Amino acid sequence: QLQLQESGPGLVKPSVTLSLTCTVSGGSIRSNNYYWGWIRQPPGKGLEWIGSIHYSGITYYNPSLKSRLTISVDTSNNQFSLNLSSVTAADAAVYYCARLVKLGHHFDYWGQGTLVTVSS
Amino acid sequence: NFMLTQPHSVSESPGKTVTISCTRSSDSIASHYVQWYQQRPGSVPTTVIYEDNQRPSGVPDRFSGSIDSSSNSASLTISGLKTEDEADYYCQSYDNINREVFGTGTKVIVL
Repeated sequence: QLQLQESGPGLVKPSVTLSLTCTVSGGSIRSNNYYWGWIRQPPGKGLEWIGSIHYSGITYYNPSLKSRLTISVDTSNNQFSLNLSSVTAADAAVYYCARLVKLGHHFDYWGQGTLVTVSS
Repeated sequence: NFMLTQPHSVSESPGKTVTISCTRSSDSIASHYVQWYQQRPGSVPTTVIYEDNQRPSGVPDRFSGSIDSSSNSASLTISGLKTEDEADYYCQSYDNINREVFGTGTKVIVL
């Protein structure tokens, strides 16, 4: 059974870079068929797609975050990561990593999510 | 850019049928698949419909999806409503600049 687990700091200060990692277990990240994505959900609000990556390194970013966002993949450790720079209170959210069946298809496996608070 | 707009909430009694709409603001709703997710309070979203009208294994056939080109919208219908169906539901689709977009979300209230 595929499992995804987010890890990273639960509290970050304004203006710093948020770094999160998603560790994939029970399957390989090196699959031509799948993409790997990040989605966030501010408390009490809806889902927002952040970006997706293929194991080859091809990335797709939400245009509203693109200038601050880097998503990378580490196939040797079966992980992918998110770096979001210059965070503000508006970036506070539960961050989920998930597997995307194909571009334009559904996210079929999700991590449990990690809550990120932005505060000095 | 496009948006997927959903009603804020819908409510109905147990055993009845509810339908949630997801209206695409630009480009044809039929141009890319629509997915639907259920998110119960405090839980991770799970897929209830993918590729417009396909149900993952384990999702009851009370859940069905469709698209309507005349209104440029997709719909999720839940029949035989149960208390366990009370949740937030999100549609999701895609555009030609490789962007995934989630709908605004609908709270289903079982009276």
